[in-house]
Amino acid sequence: DQQVKQNSPSLSVQEGRISILNCDYTNSMFDYFLWYKKYPAEGPTFLISISSIKDKNEDGRFTVFLNKSAKHLSLHIVPSQPGDSAVYFCAAPLRNAGNMLTFGGGTRLMVKP
Amino acid sequence: DAGVIQSPRHEVTEMGQEVTLRCKPISGHDYLFWYRQTMMRGLELLIYFNNNVPIDDSGMPEDRFSAKMPNASFSTLKIQPSEPRDSAVYFCASSSQGSSYEQYFGPGTRLTVT
Repeated sequence: DQQVKQNSPSLSVQEGRISILNCDYTNSMFDYFLWYKKYPAEGPTFLISISSIKDKNEDGRFTVFLNKSAKHLSLHIVPSQPGDSAVYFCAAPLRNAGNMLTFGGGTRLMVKP
Repeated sequence: DAGVIQSPRHEVTEMGQEVTLRCKPISGHDYLFWYRQTMMRGLELLIYFNNNVPIDDSGMPEDRFSAKMPNASFSTLKIQPSEPRDSAVYFCASSSQGSSYEQYFGPGTRLTVT
C-alpha cells in the first residue's frame, strides 16, 4: 500500500501564476520529506526538503509547506515558469531502512507560456 | 563529480534474452539503489545496497532479476530471461549516510523487450 500519495496526476498553470502540488501520507512516523523534479529522459533531481520540526521551508521560488495534523504537504512554485514543466515526486524516508525512500506517484506540471 | 553514470541509455532486446544494466555511483557514496519506473506502478524500488552489501531486495519482482555490487564503484542489474513486461526505465541512485536522505539519480536506462 502506498504510504505517500499524489492524487493529482497532472496540473496545468499559466506562466507567472502559482503552482501548487499536493502530497498526502499515511505513516505518522515520517519526519522528513523531499521533493524531486524529473524532466523527460533524465533521472529525478532533488528540489527541496522539509523536516517535521518545521512547517515551512523556502528556497527561491519554491516553498514546501507541511501540515502534520492533516498528514499533508504541498509544494508551491511562485512565479511558475515554462522551465518548471516536469514531473514532481514527493518522497519520505522509511525509518530503520537506511536511506531508503518511498515515492509518491508523481504529478506532471505543465506551465503554459 | 560526473554524477551517477548508467549504461546503456537505451536497450532493445528480444524476449528471452539476458539484459545487463550497469551503474557507477558517485564516489564516496555508500548507498546504491535500483529503481524501475513504469506508467502503471510509478517509481518503485527494486533493491538497495549499503557498503556493497544488499540490504533489501523485497522489491525485486521475481527470480529473473538479480543485482550485484562487486565493489564501491560498480553495480549491475541483470534480467534473465527478459520478458516484454520488463519494459521500463531503470534508474540507479546513490547517496551517503550524512546526506539527509537525498539520493542522486542517474539518467536511467530505457529497456524495451519485444
